[in-house]
Amino acid sequence: KNQVEQSPQSLIILEGKNCTLQCNYTVSPFSNLRWYKQDTGRGPVSLTIMTFSENTKSNGRYTATLDADTKQSSLHITASQLSDSASYICVVSDRGSTLGRLYFGRGTQLTVWP
Amino acid sequence: EADIYQTPRYLVIGTGKKITLECSQTMGHDKMYWYQQDPGMELHLIHYSYGVNSTEKGDLSSESTVSRIRTEHFPLTLESARPSHTSQYLCASSEGSGSREQYFGPGTRLTVT
Repeated sequence: KNQVEQSPQSLIILEGKNCTLQCNYTVSPFSNLRWYKQDTGRGPVSLTIMTFSENTKSNGRYTATLDADTKQSSLHITASQLSDSASYICVVSDRGSTLGRLYFGRGTQLTVWP
Repeated sequence: EADIYQTPRYLVIGTGKKITLECSQTMGHDKMYWYQQDPGMELHLIHYSYGVNSTEKGDLSSESTVSRIRTEHFPLTLESARPSHTSQYLCASSEGSGSREQYFGPGTRLTVT
């Protein structure tokens, strides 16, 4: 069964600190993995996308890693800011359908305190 | 920022009413999607469309219906709202084939009393 599991479910950190969010997946055949940021009451916005051959990708203070062998990904946030408070969703796409089926994790709810 | 819009943003309505959630995009994307999301839970695909006059049901069974008469417009209708329909509804679109990025609208928070 294709699944995406994220940990931790929620996380509280102080402003300026770093944190790492985890994503494990069983989706096959794998196409790509995206990390989305979803602010409360808003739609998700893509942060990074990684294909099978990519190990690391950065977008400003966000750095995603992918280990396609162990089917694990992480999102590292450096020097956190109050505006980083949001839900971070790991989304894995399969390449077995024309639609490009997406499998969503439940997200990690990050709260950054001043 | 993606050019995909949803109205209304918030809706509180009584049981038995008919409602239509609007979704439109100005990117010319062929594919459009409707997702349902409950608090703390993952997004579930309820409807999708490959293009004009194409609509399909997603993985999560839904009593809602959709139509795609124009490329840019993908409304979702509930003929008779019930409290179990209370949820957040997210519309998305993508271009091309395969697993291209989906761009999401801001969502509609529906509450049925």
